[in-house]
Amino acid sequence: AQSVAQPEDQVNVAEGNPLTVKCTYSVSGNPYLFWYVQYPNRGLQFLLKYITGDNLVKGSYGFEAEFNKSQTSFHLKKPSALVSDSALYFCAVRDNPTGGFKTIFGAGTRLFVKA
Amino acid sequence: DAMVIQNPRYQVTQFGKPVTLSCSQTLNHNVMYWYQQKSSQAPKLLFHYYDKDFNNEADTPDNFQSRRPNTSFCFLDIRSPGLGDAAMYLCATSRGSNEGYEQYFGPGTRLTVT
Repeated sequence: AQSVAQPEDQVNVAEGNPLTVKCTYSVSGNPYLFWYVQYPNRGLQFLLKYITGDNLVKGSYGFEAEFNKSQTSFHLKKPSALVSDSALYFCAVRDNPTGGFKTIFGAGTRLFVKA
Repeated sequence: DAMVIQNPRYQVTQFGKPVTLSCSQTLNHNVMYWYQQKSSQAPKLLFHYYDKDFNNEADTPDNFQSRRPNTSFCFLDIRSPGLGDAAMYLCATSRGSNEGYEQYFGPGTRLTVT
């Protein structure tokens, strides 16, 4: 069975500092990994994904994530945080090929960026 | 712009009174999903359609049904809403191949049950 864990309910960072939001996963096959962001009273918005290839993937709004197979992690990073990055972030995983189209979402990490 | 649209954005229904939420897409995606999200928790998949093939999650209550009359539209029917069904309902779409395509979400419908 596939699962994903986001160990931090909340991450606080000062504007201009680097940020990391952690994610670990468990799948039986090869993982498809995703990060989504959710602003208040809105749907989820896709940020980036890892399918195959380079372990470092770059996405929207200056975010990037590093796939680490040995640690089964896919941490979201940004070199310099903005106040506008404050939102709820979800890591998600699909198990390829056994998972079909089912995507499992983590519990979410709330990011607060302080000016 | 291509997008996923959900109507209404806010829906209030009475306990036990059937309610239908709608979703439409202009992305021409094969797959459409319905999620339930409570209090900023992880979205929980209720079911999805791959074209006209319906895939129900094992733990989705029978009270929840869905219809997809064509590629563009998908409906979520709650036959007898209970207080525990109050939540945000998210519709999403994706391309229809197992190549790791991301999902595109609508803005959600917030359901209140009185």
